[in-house]
Amino acid sequence: AQTVTQSQPEMSVQEAETVTLSCTYDTSESDYYLFWYKQPPSRQMILVIRQEAYKQQNATENRFSVNFQKAAKSFSLKISDSQLGDAAMYFCAYRARGSQGNLIFGKGTKLSVKP
Amino acid sequence: NAGVTQTPKFRILKIGQSMTLQCTQDMNHNYMYWYRQDPGMGLKLIYYSVGAGITDKGEVPNGYNVSRSTTEDFPLRLELAAPSQTSVYFCASSGQLAVLNTQYFGPGTRLLVL
Repeated sequence: AQTVTQSQPEMSVQEAETVTLSCTYDTSESDYYLFWYKQPPSRQMILVIRQEAYKQQNATENRFSVNFQKAAKSFSLKISDSQLGDAAMYFCAYRARGSQGNLIFGKGTKLSVKP
Repeated sequence: NAGVTQTPKFRILKIGQSMTLQCTQDMNHNYMYWYRQDPGMGLKLIYYSVGAGITDKGEVPNGYNVSRSTTEDFPLRLELAAPSQTSVYFCASSGQLAVLNTQYFGPGTRLLVL
């Protein structure tokens, strides 16, 4: 069974600095998608970034980028120039390409941003 | 577009009561999902649907039922509420094509069973 592990329950970063959130996953599939979702206090799940496993190039969305290491089954999220609005729970999620919908979530990392 | 909408936002149920959580999407997505999020945990899949009339169980289906009579709506039914069903429930939808596989989430329904 696929699993997603986020080993950092909480992280803290100073405003304007860079922080990296870790995620590892376990799967026997070769084709899949990986996601980072942000959940602010409003509880709305917001897609931050996605990565397709067959693409070697790391995905980037403005201040957010990933370090995707397929062989190591690692998918970390880097937030540059952190802003107060980045404070939230961040969830790493996995989905096999051929699956009907199962998103497998990690337990999340709570990110605090200090002014 | 409103995206994915859920009602109610919050509900308190007594043990043994029933209720339906409503979910509607206006993106013409074929795929729809129900997740629950317990405190300090990630989301777990309850049920999903790949189109009108087709539903299937996810990881934690016990105590719930779903139906999908239209593309837009995917209600979740709790027949006999139990304290273990206290959670936040999220509905999500996604398109069928690979490029549209991203799931879009509703705002969630917070349910408290006492």
